[in-house]
Amino acid sequence: ETGVTQTPRHLVMGMTNKKSLKCEQHLGHNAMYWYKQSAKKPLELMFVYSLEERVENNSVPSRFSPECPNSSHLFLHLHTLQPEDSALYLCASSLFFSPNYGYTFGSGTRLTVV
Amino acid sequence: AQSVTQLDSHVSVSEGTPVLLRCNYSSSYSPSLFWYVQHPNKGLQLLLKYTSAATLVKGINGFEAEFKKSETSFHLTKPSAHMSDAAEYFCVVSSETGTASKLTFGTGTRLQVTL
Repeated sequence: ETGVTQTPRHLVMGMTNKKSLKCEQHLGHNAMYWYKQSAKKPLELMFVYSLEERVENNSVPSRFSPECPNSSHLFLHLHTLQPEDSALYLCASSLFFSPNYGYTFGSGTRLTVV
Repeated sequence: AQSVTQLDSHVSVSEGTPVLLRCNYSSSYSPSLFWYVQHPNKGLQLLLKYTSAATLVKGINGFEAEFKKSETSFHLTKPSAHMSDAAEYFCVVSSETGTASKLTFGTGTRLQVTL
C-alpha cells in the first residue's frame, strides 16, 4: 500500500445512480488531487485541493462533485454519469501544493457506467 | 505551454538486457521532470525526479534518467531488465509559474519483458 487508500476498488453504476468515491491518506500531506485515467489518453487532472480548499477545477462536468472535509479525506460524488465516464479514477496527495515533492497515488477506482 | 512526448507506446526487451524509454518535453520555464511507473491494477509510483540539481538522476529499482536541456530529453534507462519491470511508464513535466503548478503527463510507454 502506498499510504493513499481508495475505495471502492471497482464500481459499476447505472446512468441514473448516485455514488461516491472515497480517498484517504494519513501521510500528513496538505494537497489532494483527483485524476481520470482513460485508455490511450494522458492522465487528466480533475480537481485539486490544498489545505481543504479547492484550488483547481479543470472544466469538469458538474455531474462530478468533489468534497474535501479535512486534509485526510477526499470524495468524488457521482450522479447521472455517461458511459464515456467509465475510467480509472486516481486519487493522489502531496506534501504541499507542489508536484516537485512528488505525488503519492492510490490504486484507483475502476468505474464502469452502464 | 508545456508538453511531453513519449516516443514509444510499447517497448519489448529480453530479461537481462538494457531498457531505454524515451521522453521529450517542451516547457517555457525551467521544468521539473518525473518518471512514474504503474503496475497492472495499481496506482502510479514515483520512480525518480529531476528538479534542477544533478542532471543524472537515480531512482528506485535501478532506474536512472538523464536531463539533457539541449535535446529537451529525459530518457529513462536501466542496465538490465527484470521481469518485475513489466509495467506502464509515464514521463511527466511540471512547470511552476507564480502560485500555479501543473503536471503534464505523457501517454505512457508499456514495457514488456520477455524470457
